[in-house]
Amino acid sequence: SSQLTQDPAVSVALGQTVRITCQGDSLRTYSASWYQQKPGQAPVLVIYDTDRRPSGIPDRFSGSRSRNTASLTITGAQAGDEADYYCHSRDISNDRIFGGGTKLTVL
Amino acid sequence: QVTLRESGPALVKPTQTLTLTCTFSGFSLSTSGMCVTWIRQSPGKALEWLALIDWDDDKYYSTSLKTRLTISKDTSKNQVVLTMTNVDPEDTATYYCARMLATTGAFDYWGQGTLVTVSS
Repeated sequence: SSQLTQDPAVSVALGQTVRITCQGDSLRTYSASWYQQKPGQAPVLVIYDTDRRPSGIPDRFSGSRSRNTASLTITGAQAGDEADYYCHSRDISNDRIFGGGTKLTVL
Repeated sequence: QVTLRESGPALVKPTQTLTLTCTFSGFSLSTSGMCVTWIRQSPGKALEWLALIDWDDDKYYSTSLKTRLTISKDTSKNQVVLTMTNVDPEDTATYYCARMLATTGAFDYWGQGTLVTVSS
């Protein structure tokens, strides 16, 4: 099945903008969603359909896609945004696939 | 209000069969477009998708685990059951169930997860 590749760790200064990327061939065809997971908690959906935000998710979270890369951008990162972020999509065989996760540190 | 809750044994011996139940409320799995999925996370590792069942009783399994997994639903009880045969210590993980809308393909509501340890 297909794979989604994420950088293992990214850091951002408080109040700055950070982009977390997810690369995979399936993203050329299928949309991406993004999940935030804090330690000891279940994941929370922050972006779906590549660039749509669920109700209750702050508008500093945004999503985009270019070719085979989906991106999650946090504009004005806050301390509470420190978490693991996972991208998710599907492949042609209907497998649902997750990226390896990116640990975001807010400095 | 949509909620999901996983239940099952906390400890399972190697080679045994693991049975997990997801009990949900706030939606019906007989409604068109509704799906429930199982996802697990080994300690310190990434999320791993396992299986999905939809409103029409179509079932989808992880290619790498499909020979060991069975997913089923009881619409009247608002439950989805996942069985995994021949468990191994590598199956030690927190198991989550989540709702997925077929229109978005995203997992919009999650249970809190249940930790299953496989050990003799």
